[in-house]
Amino acid sequence: DTAVSQTPKYLVTQMGNDKSIKCEQNLGHDTMYWYKQDSKKFLKIMFSYNNKELIINETVPNRFSPKSPDKAHLNLHINSLELGDSAVYFCASSQGQGRSTQNEQFFGPGTRLTVL
Amino acid sequence: DAKTTQPTSMDCAEGRAANLPCNHSTISGNEYVYWYRQIHSQGPQYIIHGLKNNETNEMASLIITEDRKSSTLILPHATLRDTAVYYCIVRVYPIYNQGGKLIFGQGTELSVKP
Repeated sequence: DTAVSQTPKYLVTQMGNDKSIKCEQNLGHDTMYWYKQDSKKFLKIMFSYNNKELIINETVPNRFSPKSPDKAHLNLHINSLELGDSAVYFCASSQGQGRSTQNEQFFGPGTRLTVL
Repeated sequence: DAKTTQPTSMDCAEGRAANLPCNHSTISGNEYVYWYRQIHSQGPQYIIHGLKNNETNEMASLIITEDRKSSTLILPHATLRDTAVYYCIVRVYPIYNQGGKLIFGQGTELSVKP
């Protein structure tokens, strides 16, 4: 059983297009995240949602819009794609309360986005 | 969140212990030390975390110095599958339901060799 899943795994698209990446977790977690890993392999937080409410927004262009229809899903929609958006995007989830081990973040397999 | 410093890369022979150091000299009293790793082309994976005391789980051991300014992650019997980038992260323990962002540095690229 996959804990955190993302679709698609690979996404190749032209500049200017709009695309979405989907994320689902079956761990019953309250908090979900999007991270971006660029070509230099640096992982940076983009957004965090807790119970469908946005709690972290790290200076991300407003072309990026996360949407959380329920606490098991956090999708990422990107408008007007640019070359610099090419990266691997990781979704993660965690449980915010309870025993300390429940605060570890579980990551999905990543979506490799290539903008041509 | 405090900054961490790790060696860029390390090698380890298969079957031997891998000791990965991390300096976090500006760590404050309420910050925890977390370790994650990222195997090539996969998402990061949680390994272990601690505050003051040494910690051990099925994956690794975490040794934190008494002054908490540095720590060492120990993989007791490294295997080829342990080849990965290992990230040491310090952060305030998240409260309530809000999880908490992870700030990843460059990490240490560990190569386990046969």
